[in-house]
Parts: sequence; structure tokens; C-alpha cells
Amino acid sequence: SQTIHQWPATLVQPVGSPLSLECTVEGTSNPNLYWYRQAAGRGLQLLFYSVGIGQISSEVPQNLSASRPQDRQFILSSKKLLLSDSGFYLCAWGGLDLTRPRGYEQYFGPGTRLTVT
Amino acid sequence: AQTVTQSQPEMSVQEAETVTLSCTYDTSESDYYLFWYKQPPSRQMILVIRQEAYKQQNATENRFSVNFQKAAKSFSLKISDSQLGDAAMYFCALSGGYQKVTFGIGTKLQVIP
Repeated sequence: SQTIHQWPATLVQPVGSPLSLECTVEGTSNPNLYWYRQAAGRGLQLLFYSVGIGQISSEVPQNLSASRPQDRQFILSSKKLLLSDSGFYLCAWGGLDLTRPRGYEQYFGPGTRLTVT
Repeated sequence: AQTVTQSQPEMSVQEAETVTLSCTYDTSESDYYLFWYKQPPSRQMILVIRQEAYKQQNATENRFSVNFQKAAKSFSLKISDSQLGDAAMYFCALSGGYQKVTFGIGTKLQVIP
């Protein structure tokens, strides 16, 4: 079965410091991978998605970046954090129904709570 | 562009009773999937139920069922025999294009003992 891991679980960082959040998936090959941010009491905002190694699509211009150095590894980074970067970050992988290519359900990791002080 | 609208910010239900959460959506795709996700206080997102747009039969998973009205672009979730563990945020979601899923802003469900 597939599992998805995220770390760290919680992080407190000062403004202007760098960020690196990691996500890894087990039990599947060549998954689509996603980074979302969820502000307090809000819905999910898609930040980045990746359909393969080195392939990153950005949904929202910001000071965050993403990388996919390995097939099942997805990293969210920032060189200098802003107060507005605080939130709950979720990584997800997409389950593709090969018989119905427009059907993508997503499975989520446990999330990282980031507080920028 | 796809949109998903959840117009009920909060709902409450007595334990053992039934509650229905509403969702409307818009898409130009003819083939798409709809989902309901649950996010309990732990914040782990859990897939509750999925509906394939080409299927007329409403999906059911144990105490969870949907009312899918394709012409009206409506996709509601019914929770029967509500339990305390059902208390969570519920997100309606739509997958109509390759790779992406669009989420609503969520409905917070409170279960009253």
C-alpha cells in the first residue's frame, strides 16, 4: 500500500530564515505530487505540482519554490521566509485512474505546521 | 476554470441523526470526478467518498452517501447515524482536468452528544 510522509511535523522559524519541507511517497512509482497551503480556517491553496522528476509547475507566484530531485521526493523551499508564509502545508500524491484519465483523487500526508515569527 | 462552492461554513448535528452538507460546482469538462474529504482536528486529510460524473448512481460508503445532481451541478454529502468521530472539516473537491483537483473552502461539522 502507498504511504506518504512529511517532515517536520511542526516548525517555528524567524522571518528571513530559509525553509525546507520534505515529502516522500512509498509504494507507488512516478506519482503526481502536490504542495498545498492551508491558512487557519481556510481552504486549500495549490502551490506547486509535479508530474515527474525535475518537472515543477507553480500555481501562485511567491517566495516559495519546489523541487523534485527523486521520483518519490518533493521538497518545498524558501530562501527568506515572510510572516505571510505561516500556515499548514500539505503534500499530496495523485492517484491516477488509468481507465479514466480525468479522474484524479489525491492522498495527503500528515502536514507541517509552519509558524513564522 | 473549475470552481467549487460550499455555502455552509458550519453545520451541527445531534449524535445518531442525519446531516447533509451542500456543494455546488462548475466545470466545462464533460468527464470529471467529485470527492468529499474529511479533515479532523488532527488535520490529516482523508478521502471519504468519490463520484464519477459519468455514473448516474449515487456513491455510497457505509454511513456516507452523496446526492449527485449533474444537471444542477450539485454534489451533497449525507452522513447517517452521525458519530462523535464525524466532527471535522469537510471539503468538496472536483477533478476535471489533468493533474489538478479544485477544493471548496470547507464546512465545519459539529456533532452534539
